[in-house]
Amino acid sequence: QVQLVESGGGLVNPGGSLRLSCAASGFTFTDYYMSWIRQAPGKGLEWISYISSRGRIIHYADSVKGRFTISGDNAKNSLYLQMNSLTAEDTALYYCARQAGISETHAFDFWGQGIMVTVSS
Amino acid sequence: EVVLTQSPDFQSVTPKEKVTITCRASQSIGGSIHWYQQKPDQSPKLLIKFASQSFSGVPSRFSGSGSGTDFTLTINSLEAEDAATYYCHQSSSLPHTFGQGTKLEIK
Repeated sequence: QVQLVESGGGLVNPGGSLRLSCAASGFTFTDYYMSWIRQAPGKGLEWISYISSRGRIIHYADSVKGRFTISGDNAKNSLYLQMNSLTAEDTALYYCARQAGISETHAFDFWGQGIMVTVSS
Repeated sequence: EVVLTQSPDFQSVTPKEKVTITCRASQSIGGSIHWYQQKPDQSPKLLIKFASQSFSGVPSRFSGSGSGTDFTLTINSLEAEDAATYYCHQSSSLPHTFGQGTKLEIK
């Protein structure tokens, strides 16, 4: 069965960095677009980035552009999110999610359990 | 950016009632709307894709309709386990955006 397991979250000082990982299993990683989506405490969902099935197409939300970098390792079936210059506004539960096909127009059909990132001094 | 506005924000409903949640887009998005259910302390789960296509394993009481700018999620014969927050999501253009959510409380 499809599984997405995030790791790498935690408490970080403002201005600091973190790298999130998402280990994927149960499907052919190279056949799907993957996204990161976050949810601030008590708030709604915010899409922040996607990467195409072979990593050639990447897009970011304006709120993270220039600070966050998405990447994938097809050999390890893993998705990553390098987060730099973190601020309190980045405090959220971060989900990796699979898009249900080989394009950015598909729904997010499977989600990880989420990993918490807290930016605070 | 396509803004999605859901209504209502909150609804208190009784079991077996029929529930309708609407999602209005700030511009036409064709049929590129999807619906998710999020229960407390759980990740969102896909219910409906592309406005009206049921996702595998989703109970038949969940259905979706609409096109262009106005979309509807309908839950027929509500069950207690349907207490959750429901989100719409558009994938027609970047950035992907979500509605603000509709919280359903079961009386």
